[in-house]
Amino acid sequence: QVHLVESGGGVVQPGRSLRLSCAASGFTFSSYALHWVRQAPGKGLEWLALISPDGNNKYYADADSVKGRFTISRDNSKNTLYLQMNSLTAEDTAVYYCARGFGNFDYWGQGTLVTVSS
Amino acid sequence: QSALTQPASVSGSPGQSITISCTGTSSDVGGYNYVSWYQQHPGKAPKLLIYDVSNRPSGVSNRFSGSKSGNTASLTISGLQAEDEADYYCNSYTLYSTRVFGGGTKLTVL
Repeated sequence: QVHLVESGGGVVQPGRSLRLSCAASGFTFSSYALHWVRQAPGKGLEWLALISPDGNNKYYADADSVKGRFTISRDNSKNTLYLQMNSLTAEDTAVYYCARGFGNFDYWGQGTLVTVSS
Repeated sequence: QSALTQPASVSGSPGQSITISCTGTSSDVGGYNYVSWYQQHPGKAPKLLIYDVSNRPSGVSNRFSGSKSGNTASLTISGLQAEDEADYYCNSYTLYSTRVFGGGTKLTVL
């Protein structure tokens, strides 16, 4: 069965960096596109980034709040997806989900909470 | 890329049918058939309900159906049940190869 497990969340001070990981199992990792999606407390889902199966193509939400600060990557030898987040602000406080798929997100992880606070 | 437009809330009584709309533009909803819908219960990860406008994944009840007309996609839930009370989100592929969610709709079963 497909499993996606996020990790790396926690409390981080404003301006600092954090790297999230998403460990995958139960499917051929290198055959699927993967995404990061976040959800701020009490808010809706926000799509952040997509990486192609081979890692060569990456796309980011156009929002100024994400582009240039967040970097999606993957290691197909470790079946792991990453999200490097830099210059974090309070507005980045959210649950971060990884999800699998191209035209849709058929499997999701349980999410990892990132809290940006001094 | 602006979020797709969904009603903030809808409600219905058990057994009734409701429809949630999702309005975008010709650069997203209207231009591609990669429209999907998700159900999210409090504290849980979203669950895929509908993909490619109108297809149901295995295991999803046939009470859930999707459609699209022009720049607006719709999710219909028939035979409302108490467990359908949740938040619902649409998502679309866009012209820029990115994805965009709707703002979400809270469904209340009266």
